[in-house]
Amino acid sequence: RKEVEQDPGPFNVPEGATVAFNCTYSNSASQSFFWYRQDCRKEPKLLMSVYSSGNEDGRFTAQLNRASQYISLLIRDSKLSDSATYLCVVTRPGNQFYFGTGTSLTVIP
Amino acid sequence: EAGVVQSPRYKIIEKKQPVAFWCNPISGHNTLYWYLQNLGQGPELLIRYENEEAVDDSQLPKDRFSAERLKGVDSTLKIQPAELGDSAVYLCASSFMGETQYFGPGTRLLVL
Repeated sequence: RKEVEQDPGPFNVPEGATVAFNCTYSNSASQSFFWYRQDCRKEPKLLMSVYSSGNEDGRFTAQLNRASQYISLLIRDSKLSDSATYLCVVTRPGNQFYFGTGTSLTVIP
Repeated sequence: EAGVVQSPRYKIIEKKQPVAFWCNPISGHNTLYWYLQNLGQGPELLIRYENEEAVDDSQLPKDRFSAERLKGVDSTLKIQPAELGDSAVYLCASSFMGETQYFGPGTRLLVL
């Protein structure tokens, strides 16, 4: 079983829509959680960390459910510039990072 | 502050040829990672360094891949000989004490 699993999509949504991505992880010892964004032919860049209490950054909300071992990312009022691949990342003690395969989002005018 | 630097950005070689990639992490970052990324996939770890020590190279195909980080700063990843299936993007990332990873722009390798 993979450490991190994501629905690869693609998700095609109209501008202004709300879209949610989920990610599950297999190891209950996982320590830290992140969402990264990767634009076409670019490197992954940190979008936001994910905390147990949930956290929000503008139109983006991330949540963590440790009991069910899943992470979510909600994007409200989608913009064309949100089109990218969103990578779920989970860490384990010892600086081990595990990446999901990414979920592709295209926001349509 | 300068980010993670990688070179070259692109490389085209014929199969069976050697190739090397270079990475300079963010200053002060003790952990350095080399990843391979294929189209439509997430990054897959090849090797992780803590300072100059390779602490996780379990996914590195050691028959043809090698890496070094001699002074605990910059690092080189080598493939010899390259195979067609090695065509991918090779990403270097660094972090401080296992906190947020920062990626370089990657080297896009095409093996013909």
